[in-house]
Amino acid sequence: EVQLVESGGGLVQPGGSLRLSCEVSGFIFSSYWMTWLRQAPGKGPEWVATIAHDGSNIYFVDSVKGRFTISRDNAKNSLYLQMNSLRAEDTAVYYCAREAHSKFEYWGQGTLVTVSP
Amino acid sequence: ETVMTQSPATLSVSPGERATLSCRASQSVSTKLAWYQQKPGQAPRLLIYDASTRATGIPARFSGGGSGTDFTLTISSLQSEDFAVYYCQQYNGWPPLYTFGQGTKLEIK
Repeated sequence: EVQLVESGGGLVQPGGSLRLSCEVSGFIFSSYWMTWLRQAPGKGPEWVATIAHDGSNIYFVDSVKGRFTISRDNAKNSLYLQMNSLRAEDTAVYYCAREAHSKFEYWGQGTLVTVSP
Repeated sequence: ETVMTQSPATLSVSPGERATLSCRASQSVSTKLAWYQQKPGQAPRLLIYDASTRATGIPARFSGGGSGTDFTLTISSLQSEDFAVYYCQQYNGWPPLYTFGQGTKLEIK
């Protein structure tokens, strides 16, 4: 069974940092591109970042470029999102997802990030 | 950036009836279009990809159509478990700049 479990969310002040983790099981992690998405309250999902199966290609939405970093450890079956210089508009539930040809076929349950004074 | 616009925002339909949801792209996305279902407190679930291909395990009552800029998701006979929010997502172009619609809430009439 494919499982993705996010962790690391919480309350952080504007300008602060958080590191999200996503631990996966049930599939060969090193074979798949992985993605972080987020969903602000009452809004549709938003694509945040994607990393190739071997980490060789990385892509970000413009609004997080220079602030967020995506990485992975294939030996640990884990995906990460380092978020710096956080803003109120980064408040959302963050999901990791397994990507298949640009579709998001499996999602985790999400972790809530709240940026507030 | 390709903007995805879904209509209507809310659709009220009775169980057993047909529901048709629309999604329009601000520029052509060919058939690079997916549909997701999201229930309260859950992550989105992939229903349809490549505009008309059902994902694994998705019932045949879900069908997708369209190409270019106009797409539809049809649920032929609504079951109680189908009442949820539905999102479209485009994945045309490279490097990736995936965008989602704002959603259509399908509610019981």
